[in-house]
Amino acid sequence: DQQVKQNSPSLSVQEGRISILNCDYTNSMFDYFLWYKKYPAEGPTFLISISSIKDKNEDGRFTVFLNKSAKHLSLHIVPSQPGDSAVYFCAASAGRYGNKLVFGAGTILRVKS
Amino acid sequence: EAQVTQNPRYLITVTGKKLTVTCSQNMNHEYMSWYRQDPGLGLRQIYYSMNVEVTDKGDVPEGYKVSRKEKRNFPLILESPSPNQTSLYFCASSPDGRELFFGEGSRLTVL
Repeated sequence: DQQVKQNSPSLSVQEGRISILNCDYTNSMFDYFLWYKKYPAEGPTFLISISSIKDKNEDGRFTVFLNKSAKHLSLHIVPSQPGDSAVYFCAASAGRYGNKLVFGAGTILRVKS
Repeated sequence: EAQVTQNPRYLITVTGKKLTVTCSQNMNHEYMSWYRQDPGLGLRQIYYSMNVEVTDKGDVPEGYKVSRKEKRNFPLILESPSPNQTSLYFCASSPDGRELFFGEGSRLTVL
């Protein structure tokens, strides 16, 4: 039973346009959400996070939106750049000390120049 | 430089031959964890440790062992590897169990 789902295995976007990556979750106990980015032959790196007490968090070109009623979060990248081409993982945790971080299957983003 | 170091990066072995993947971090993090990445399944947690001598099972612990005798090291042990353990393995450390710092990965093939 996948508690965190990324239903789009891949996404292709033109350079300069917006990339929107989506993530759905089923566990209402999740209270902290993160996005990780992974390049080939490297480990994932932390990108941005959001607490359940917020509905938006912004960091430069990256914005994460959280819709708790829909159990849905999204990552917006504006403008998209070729260097953003990577696999993006959504992750969620419950409780103050997130010993149980649950990841989605990932979405491959390709930004075409 | 803050980092998580895994070894070996690549390994081909045969069924039943015990192996250990080492993991070391230099950030003084209490929390460490092992994940495996498989196509279509994302990252699944194998084991985690919240401090020295404190370890617990993740979602897919079968066939694996871990130990945490020192804060910086968290080795993953496959006592009797099987082909279904062929995967890409990541070690991670964290100050809070949420923002993880990952190693570069260890690609294991079991024949």
